Amino acid sequence: GAGVSQSPRYKVTKRGQDVALRCDPISGHVSLYWYRQALGQGPEFLTYFNYEAQQDKSGLPNDRFSAERPEGSISTLTIQRTEQRDSAMYRCASSLGTSGIRPDTQYFGPGTRLTVL
Amino acid sequence: AQSVTQPDIHITVSEGASLELRCNYSYGATPYLFWYVQSPGQGLQLLLKYFSGDTLVQGIKGFEAEFKRSQSSFNLRKPSVHWSDAAEYFCAVGARGNYQLIWGAGTKLIIKP
Repeated sequence: GAGVSQSPRYKVTKRGQDVALRCDPISGHVSLYWYRQALGQGPEFLTYFNYEAQQDKSGLPNDRFSAERPEGSISTLTIQRTEQRDSAMYRCASSLGTSGIRPDTQYFGPGTRLTVL
Repeated sequence: AQSVTQPDIHITVSEGASLELRCNYSYGATPYLFWYVQSPGQGLQLLLKYFSGDTLVQGIKGFEAEFKRSQSSFNLRKPSVHWSDAAEYFCAVGARGNYQLIWGAGTKLIIKP
């Protein structure tokens, strides 16, 4: 089966523009995660979905960032009024669904490299 | 608060030599530990994980890691590296029932021919 896919792979935009990043998880995976990864750093948690419900958005840096997963499958991370500091790799991961006891194994997509000029 | 430290930003080893990548964590309870590898243009791929039981964990691609509670470490090892192992390696810790993973900053592995 296909892995996690993300599109676009690269996005260059001008400051002030809105961008939408898409994540298509592994079929049947209940949980979906968004991370941001700056150069030379590990991934930083942004938000987490269980089915279509956004369970945790504590990692979203400010209200310009939002995410949705309306049908419990594909998810979109939207950044409004982009700023240069938003430039990073945005990674999506999915997992079967947390057991509540142990963390799930997360499967990652290739990421979207966002550059804000 | 949970944290993960990977002390080495870069490591260079010769092809065929042994490898050890260090990972130290800070967490109050029993940690769940992961090693992921990130190759250029690829997503993060799980190498191995430790949840409980045997403290020596075997993973894919000939990697293993040993959990040492007394040292709060989970170092990754490979007896003989191949040029294809050149990549960036990330250690992460997850909490019980917690979906969030806390990540180290990564160690970039460079292979000398």
